[in-house]
Amino acid sequence: AQRVTQPEKLLSVFKGAPVELKCNYSYSGSPELFWYVQYSRQRLQLLLRHISRESIKGFTADLNKGETSFHLKKPFAQEEDSAMYYCALSGNNQGGKLIFGQGTELSVKP
Amino acid sequence: DAGVIQSPRHEVTEMGQEVTLRCKPISGHDYLFWYRQTMMRGLELLIYFNNNVPIDDSGMPEDRFSAKMPNASFSTLKIQPSEPRDSAVYFCASRVSGGREQYFGPGTRLTVT
Repeated sequence: AQRVTQPEKLLSVFKGAPVELKCNYSYSGSPELFWYVQYSRQRLQLLLRHISRESIKGFTADLNKGETSFHLKKPFAQEEDSAMYYCALSGNNQGGKLIFGQGTELSVKP
Repeated sequence: DAGVIQSPRHEVTEMGQEVTLRCKPISGHDYLFWYRQTMMRGLELLIYFNNNVPIDDSGMPEDRFSAKMPNASFSTLKIQPSEPRDSAVYFCASRVSGGREQYFGPGTRLTVT
C-alpha cells in the first residue's frame, strides 16, 4: 500500500536551533517525494522535491531509499519557518497525484 | 496570473442541503485535482481529471459526492445531500502535463451544521 507517515503532529523549537521534520513512506516502486508548506492564511505551496536536490529557504531533504525516508532539515530555524509542512509522494504512472502525510506543524519560538 | 481560483471561500450550510464548490485551474494546465483536508485524515485526494476527463475517483467517499469538469477552465465538486461529517477544507490544484508541481487554490472551508 502507498502511504506517507509524518510521526510528529507538532514540532516546537527555538529560533536558531536545528530542525528535522520526519517523513517515511511506503511504496513498491520508485516514487517521487515532495515537501509542501502552508504558511498561515496562505496556499499550500511546493517547498522541495527530491529530484531537484536543491536547498530552499535553507531547507534540504535527502531521499533515503534504504530507510524509505525523506526527512526535511534546516540547521538554524527562523520564526518565519513556522508553518504546516506536508510530505507527499507521487507514484509512477499515476498522473502525478499526490499522497500526503498527515502534516507536521512547526512552531519556531523566539 | 491569479493562480488557481476557488469559490466560495467559505460555505456554511445545513445538513441535507446541496453544496457546490467551484474551481478554475491555471490557464494551460491540463490536470486538475480535488483534495479534502480534515484534522482526522489530513489531506486526501478525492478525484483528478486530465484534459477534462476523470481519471481516478477512487478517493470520492460515497455517492453523495460528484465532480465534473465541463471544460478546461472550470470544475465543480458537488455534495448532495450534505452531512456534518463533510465539514472540511476542500482544495483544488492544477498542474501542466509534464510538470511535477501542483499549484493549489486557497481552499473552500465547508461547514455543515
